[in-house]
Amino acid sequence: EAGVTQSPTHLIKTRGQQVTLRCSPISGHTSVYWYQQALGLGLQFLLWYDEGEERNRGNFPPRFSGRQFPNYSSELNVNALELEDSALYLCASSLGLSRDHEQFFGPGTRLTVL
Amino acid sequence: AQSVTQLDSHVSVSEGTPVLLRCNYSSSYSPSLFWYVQHPNKGLQLLLKYTSAATLVKGINGFEAEFKKSETSFHLTKPSAHMSDAAEYFCVVSDRQGGKLIFGQGTELSVKP
Repeated sequence: EAGVTQSPTHLIKTRGQQVTLRCSPISGHTSVYWYQQALGLGLQFLLWYDEGEERNRGNFPPRFSGRQFPNYSSELNVNALELEDSALYLCASSLGLSRDHEQFFGPGTRLTVL
Repeated sequence: AQSVTQLDSHVSVSEGTPVLLRCNYSSSYSPSLFWYVQHPNKGLQLLLKYTSAATLVKGINGFEAEFKKSETSFHLTKPSAHMSDAAEYFCVVSDRQGGKLIFGQGTELSVKP
């Protein structure tokens, strides 16, 4: 069974640009989550989508946004990139809404903002 | 609000000796707790989870953790460290409404030959 996949693996952008990261969940999983792992800041929750709807949002500015498609894949968009957006962006998926459900993580997309 | 505190940012052990990674949690309700591991340049892998069943939880690769409500702790242990255990370990609590995972700051485990 294929795990969570993310693309691209690495990305280099300049300040002010926009970026789109993509995630495909495990087959059968309806929930997709996005996390940011920035140096010195640890792992922080960004967004949670389930059945196409945004369910929860972390403490990030509105220039971080996303969506979930009918096939449950997801995109994370970041507008007006800033240097501090440089981080590993991790996507995870799970079976659904229960807090007991394990989240399975993808390998991440490494974003560097110059 | 829920939170987790990992008491050591770095732990170093010799191969074949026991591993103890400490985690305290804070929660106003019965929590769901997890330990995840992250090897260099890799994603996160679930080691084990506690969801209000048995307080001693066994995970993959010989790891286990004990939920102690009186001490609000969820320490991770392994009887004998292997070189391949060198990685960063995260103690995690699940948000009450589900979805959001709240991560500790991580403990880097080094294993010396």
